[in-house]
Amino acid sequence: QVQLQESGPGLVKPSETLSLTCTVSGGSISSYYWSWIRQPPGKGLEWIGYIYYSGSTNYNPSLKSRVTISVDTSKNQFSLKLSSVTAADTAVYYCARNAYSNYVPPVNYFDYWGQGTLVTVSS
Amino acid sequence: SYELTQPPSVSVSPGQTARITCSGDALPKQYAYWYQQKPGQAPVLVIYKDSERPSGIPERFSGSSSGTTVTLTISGVQAEDEADYYCQSADSSGTLVFGGGTKLTVL
Repeated sequence: QVQLQESGPGLVKPSETLSLTCTVSGGSISSYYWSWIRQPPGKGLEWIGYIYYSGSTNYNPSLKSRVTISVDTSKNQFSLKLSSVTAADTAVYYCARNAYSNYVPPVNYFDYWGQGTLVTVSS
Repeated sequence: SYELTQPPSVSVSPGQTARITCSGDALPKQYAYWYQQKPGQAPVLVIYKDSERPSGIPERFSGSSSGTTVTLTISGVQAEDEADYYCQSADSSGTLVFGGGTKLTVL
C-alpha cells in the first residue's frame, strides 16, 4: 500500500519561501506523476502542480510564477517550493499520486493522498 | 480560467437518494472524478472516469455524465456519508481543476 507523508515548517514568514517535502513509501516514485494540492482553512481544494519522476512538470497557471516542484528518485521524495508567500497561502498542503494516462480522453486523477500538513504564513 | 460549478450544499434524510451535480464546459471531452472529504481528513476518491467505482467504495456511490454536467449519486444515504464532496477534471491544456465543493448534510 502506497503511503505519502508531507514534512516541512508549519510557520513561514510573509515574503519568504515555503518548502515542503513528500516522502513516498510502499512503492517506487518511478513511472508515476506526483502532485501538490492545497486547501485554505474552510475552503476548497486547489491543485498546485505535478511532476513526473523524470522531472517534467506542469503547474497551475495561477501559481506558476511562484512554484517549483522537484523530485529526488534516490530518496523516493518530491518537493514543493512556493516563493513570496502571503497570508493567502496559508493552507493545508497535500501531496498526492496521480493516476495518469494519455489516452483520449486523458485520465488524470489522485488515487493516493498524504494526510496533509498545515502551513501558516505569519510574521 | 476553467471552472467547475457545484451546489454549495445538499441535504437529504437517511435512506434517501442524494444527487450532487458538477458543471463545466469541458466535461463532454474530459473525464470527471469525485472525492469525499470528512473533517480533518484527506480526500478519498469515490468515483473515477465519470462512473467507475474504486475497490472498497460502497455500491451506493455511482456517477453519471450528460453533456456539460456530471452527477454523483448516493443511494440509500447513511449518516456516515455526511461530508464534503469535490468533483475534479481537467481543461484542454491539462490544468487540473476542482469544483468548489458540496457539503452533504444527512438530516
